[in-house]
Amino acid sequence: AQKITQTQPGMFVQEKEAVTLDCTYDTSDPSYGLFWYKQPSSGEMIFLIYQGSYDQQNATEGRYSLNFQKARKSANLVISASQLGDSAMYFCAMREPQNNNNDMRFGAGTRLTVKP
Amino acid sequence: ETGVTQTPRHLVMGMTNKKSLKCEQHLGHNAMYWYKQSAKKPLELMFVYSLEERVENNSVPSRFSPECPNSSHLFLHLHTLQPEDSALYLCASSLSGSQNSPLHFGNGTRLTVT
Repeated sequence: AQKITQTQPGMFVQEKEAVTLDCTYDTSDPSYGLFWYKQPSSGEMIFLIYQGSYDQQNATEGRYSLNFQKARKSANLVISASQLGDSAMYFCAMREPQNNNNDMRFGAGTRLTVKP
Repeated sequence: ETGVTQTPRHLVMGMTNKKSLKCEQHLGHNAMYWYKQSAKKPLELMFVYSLEERVENNSVPSRFSPECPNSSHLFLHLHTLQPEDSALYLCASSLSGSQNSPLHFGNGTRLTVT
């Protein structure tokens, strides 16, 4: 069963506006980590932001913030002030304690296109 | 410089060939991963090595054979592949046992099986 769900295959946003990319997850473990990655057309996977399941505050990294709603099991990525260079695939991922925290699974991804 | 280097970047091989993908990391990590990325499919976790021992093998066909001689190097040996094995193969590394340690990825090897 898919543990990470990204329901938006593609999203468009106007340059300089904010955009939210959705991610829901499924786990029975109380301890887990959530990650977002960016994959430009070059193929490299770039780590953006991390949220721990016990973190009290939403994670922020520059223009990236994570809207973490634990009860809903959602971890949406918010990109503020979009730039043309933000056009890429975005993947949500979860790490669970099994295999000593070495197991990380990814969602299907959302393709974001920033319009000038 | 990503810290994780994969070679070759591109590989075309016939179904009867034997080839190997190489991954090297200079980040001091002790866990290494192989992922397969096919078109329109989520990243598939293939193998995980932690402290040079294999800890994950997600029912990957035996025509894929991983090798981790030390914590800095990871190989994926390929033999008698099928056309459906054509994909982007991504190597990653992280700190073993650390929940908040992100994976650091290489640029991948684009494999085409003819």
